Amino acid sequence: QVKVVESGGGLVKPRGSLRLSCAASGFTFSDYSMIWIRQAPGKGLEWVSHIGGSGGATNYADSVKGRFSISRDNAKNSLYLQMNSLTDEDTAVYYCARGWRGGAFDYWGQGTPVTVSS
Amino acid sequence: HSALTQPASVSGSPGQSITISCTGASSDVGTYNFVSWYQHHPGKVPKLIIYEVSDRPSGISNRFSGSKSGNTASLTISGLQAEDEADYYCSSYTTSGTYVFGTGTRVTVL
Repeated sequence: QVKVVESGGGLVKPRGSLRLSCAASGFTFSDYSMIWIRQAPGKGLEWVSHIGGSGGATNYADSVKGRFSISRDNAKNSLYLQMNSLTDEDTAVYYCARGWRGGAFDYWGQGTPVTVSS
Repeated sequence: HSALTQPASVSGSPGQSITISCTGASSDVGTYNFVSWYQHHPGKVPKLIIYEVSDRPSGISNRFSGSKSGNTASLTISGLQAEDEADYYCSSYTTSGTYVFGTGTRVTVL
């Protein structure tokens, strides 16, 4: 069955960096776009970034543009999010999701928490 | 793109119908039929319940229905049940090639 599992979250100091990973299984990974979505404590969902199936097309929310970088390794069925220059506003649970029809996100991981604090 | 606007909370009694609105702009909801809805029980994984404005993924109850008029999309839950108590979010593709979520609505079953 389709499964996506995030890892790599943790505690990081302001201005630090962190790399999140998402391992996918149960589907042909390269056929689907993949997305990162986050939820800050007590807040709603926020779309962060997405990447096309081949890895050639990427886009970012204004709040992370220039600091975050999304990538994928289709040979390893893995998605990544490199996060630099982190601030406390980046504290959130980060979800990996599969892109589906009409821009919907049909399978989500359990999320990995990121805390930015000194 | 600013977050799509949803009411903070909606409530109803078991068996009733409720509707959640999702108001965007001509640059997102108004242009594309790429509106989806998600049910999120706190502490659990968000679940896709509506895609492309009004379609339901396999396994989703037909008590959930979606529609759109102009810049506003809507989710209706009919025959409200206790298990429907959760947070609901809309999402839309935008003319910038990005996505935007709604502010979220807490549904309470009285």
